[in-house]
Amino acid sequence: IAGITQAPTSQILAAGRRMTLRCTQDMRHNAMYWYRQDLGLGLRLIHYSNTAGTTGKGEVPDGYSVSRANTDDFPLTLASAVPSQTSVYFCASSRTLNNEQFFGPGTRLTVL
Amino acid sequence: DAKTTQPTSMDCAEGRAANLPCNHSTISGNEYVYWYRQIHSQGPQYIIHGLKNNETNEMASLIITEDRKSSTLILPHATLRDTAVYYCIVTGGTSYGKLTFGQGTILTVHP
Repeated sequence: IAGITQAPTSQILAAGRRMTLRCTQDMRHNAMYWYRQDLGLGLRLIHYSNTAGTTGKGEVPDGYSVSRANTDDFPLTLASAVPSQTSVYFCASSRTLNNEQFFGPGTRLTVL
Repeated sequence: DAKTTQPTSMDCAEGRAANLPCNHSTISGNEYVYWYRQIHSQGPQYIIHGLKNNETNEMASLIITEDRKSSTLILPHATLRDTAVYYCIVTGGTSYGKLTFGQGTILTVHP
C-alpha cells in the first residue's frame, strides 16, 4: 500500500545524544515536511523540502537539521537532543507545495 | 498565512450533519482554505480545500462565503469515527505548503 512511513514509532533518548528520525514515502511526491506537535499546541512546521536537493526552514527549525538526497527519504536529525524537543513528530508529503499533504503515523520522542 | 478562528468544541448526534465553522477575515485573494482532521494519536488527514467556489468530495462539503471571510465544513452524515480535531487552515502565495495549524475544533459525535 502506497503511503508514508516513519521510524521509530517511539524513542526515549538521553539529553545530548544524537538522533535521526526517518521518513520514507513511495508516492513519488516532490515536497516533504517535518512537523512537531506538543500538548495543547497545534502542529508546527520544522523544515520542509520542495524537491530533492532543496530544503527550507519552517516555524521552529532551531536544533534540527534535514537532508533530501533523493525523492523518497527525508530524515530529521537532532544533533544534540534537549528535553524541550520531547514531542510527537509527524512527517508529511505532497505532490508539490501547492497540493494537499499526506501525513505519516508519527514518532513519539522523549528526551530525558 | 491568514489567521483562522474556530470554535473550541462542538457536539453532533450520529447520523446528523456536522457543520463546522471557520472565520478567516484576513484571507488574501490567492489563499486557499484547507481542512484537515486528526483522530486521536494519528497523523492529520486531508479532507477538502477550496478557493472561492463550494466544493464537495466523498468525505465532506466546503461552503465558502462570497466575501471569502468565512467557511463551513459539512460532514453530511456524521459517524462515531468522525470524532476528531478539525483544523481549518488558510495557505497560499509564498506560504504555500507551510501549513499553520491552530487549536482546531474538537468534534464529538454521540450515539
